[in-house]
Amino acid sequence: GENVEQHPSTLSVQEGDSAVIKCTYSDSASNYFPWYKQELGKRPQLIIDIRSNVGEKKDQRIAVTLNKTAKHFSLHITETQPEDSAVYFCAVAGGSYIPTFGRGTSLIVHP
Amino acid sequence: EAQVTQNPRYLITVTGKKLTVTCSQNMNHEYMSWYRQDPGLGLRQIYYSMNVEVTDKGDVPEGYKVSRKEKRNFPLILESPSPNQTSLYFCASSLNILGEGELFFGEGSRLTVL
Repeated sequence: GENVEQHPSTLSVQEGDSAVIKCTYSDSASNYFPWYKQELGKRPQLIIDIRSNVGEKKDQRIAVTLNKTAKHFSLHITETQPEDSAVYFCAVAGGSYIPTFGRGTSLIVHP
Repeated sequence: EAQVTQNPRYLITVTGKKLTVTCSQNMNHEYMSWYRQDPGLGLRQIYYSMNVEVTDKGDVPEGYKVSRKEKRNFPLILESPSPNQTSLYFCASSLNILGEGELFFGEGSRLTVL
């Protein structure tokens, strides 16, 4: 199936710093790239997504960038706050395969 | 309220005792799927369904069965549970038939097999 690699597995930052999480994928036909946030003990919820006809998308402090040529996309969180602490999952859909998730990044924001 | 509902939320069972985890969505979604979440392994897809009576295997289908007799329901069946099926299970649904849109997750079902 689709191979989605997500890095880093753990990211620790100080409040106010920026955080970047990267994902790579293998199927060049993939066309939908969402990011999910999972707070402790909760269900994953969509925070932002991007489709292959767009290179960047922003929503307040979060943004996603997509490089289709290199087959990678990234989540950027600026001015991090303690409530941003969670596990973040990238996912890839479209193309030849069913939606596939990365292994997750545990983001810790220290006050 | 639009939602995906799973039951039970918590279950402890013994090896070999058949169990069913139910999943129901009220959003008229075509696509439904089951994931298991294990530490360090992320969300791995077990089975998915693009429509009534249409189901297919995901990445880790061994030991599981599903059915889709109605659009809103997608139960996960463990015919003979084993300890390696101890996990956190999520049901999810999407309006997009190929899952190429937002996935709405249930609250999760934590299963322990002794």
